[in-house]
Amino acid sequence: QKEVEQNSGPLSVPEGAIASLNCTYSDRGSQSFFWYRQYSGKSPELIMSIYSNGDKEDGRFTAQLNKASQYVSLLIRDSQPSDSATYLCAVNIRNTDKLIFGTGTRLQVFP
Amino acid sequence: ETGVTQSPTHLIKTRGQQVTLRCSSQSGHNTVSWYQQALGQGPQFIFQYYREEENGRGNFPPRFSGLQFPNYSSELNVNALELDDSALYLCASSLGGRTNIQYFGAGTRLSVL
Repeated sequence: QKEVEQNSGPLSVPEGAIASLNCTYSDRGSQSFFWYRQYSGKSPELIMSIYSNGDKEDGRFTAQLNKASQYVSLLIRDSQPSDSATYLCAVNIRNTDKLIFGTGTRLQVFP
Repeated sequence: ETGVTQSPTHLIKTRGQQVTLRCSSQSGHNTVSWYQQALGQGPQFIFQYYREEENGRGNFPPRFSGLQFPNYSSELNVNALELDDSALYLCASSLGGRTNIQYFGAGTRLSVL
């Protein structure tokens, strides 16, 4: 079992729709969870961080964390073509600040 | 703009050669982490430096080595390059600690021929 798993996609959604990206992780000791956006040929850019169970909202983005289910998700409301990118889920290695990344989910938002 | 700078942007080497990649961390950040990202994959943790000491290492062979300087900038050295070393190498700086966020530089694209 991979330590951080994401569906590679592509996930295709129409402009204005809600995009839902999911991630599961294997280490119950993980405490920090991050979503990064990566455009093709560019470096990862932080979108959201979440540390406690529940929802965290920032503009059009909502991160959801369920530690009991070892599941973290990212919702993007009112999706725009400019949101088309690969979204990387990252989880800290137990008791450290080092990160394990999933392989990323490619999101395509079509007009 | 994260304030993390990497050089060079692109590099082409041949198998067996050695390479040094450089990273300047964001002002005030004392921790630098290096990642390797192969095409179509997520970044993989290579190692981390905190206050000039190695502070954890991923599953990479000893020919991957690093340094951190008193100003917290860092170098990644790779000896005896192999074709599979071709990847995007990412440097991230942070203040350290589990809740601290890592900010990435633009990366160095290494091609090994």
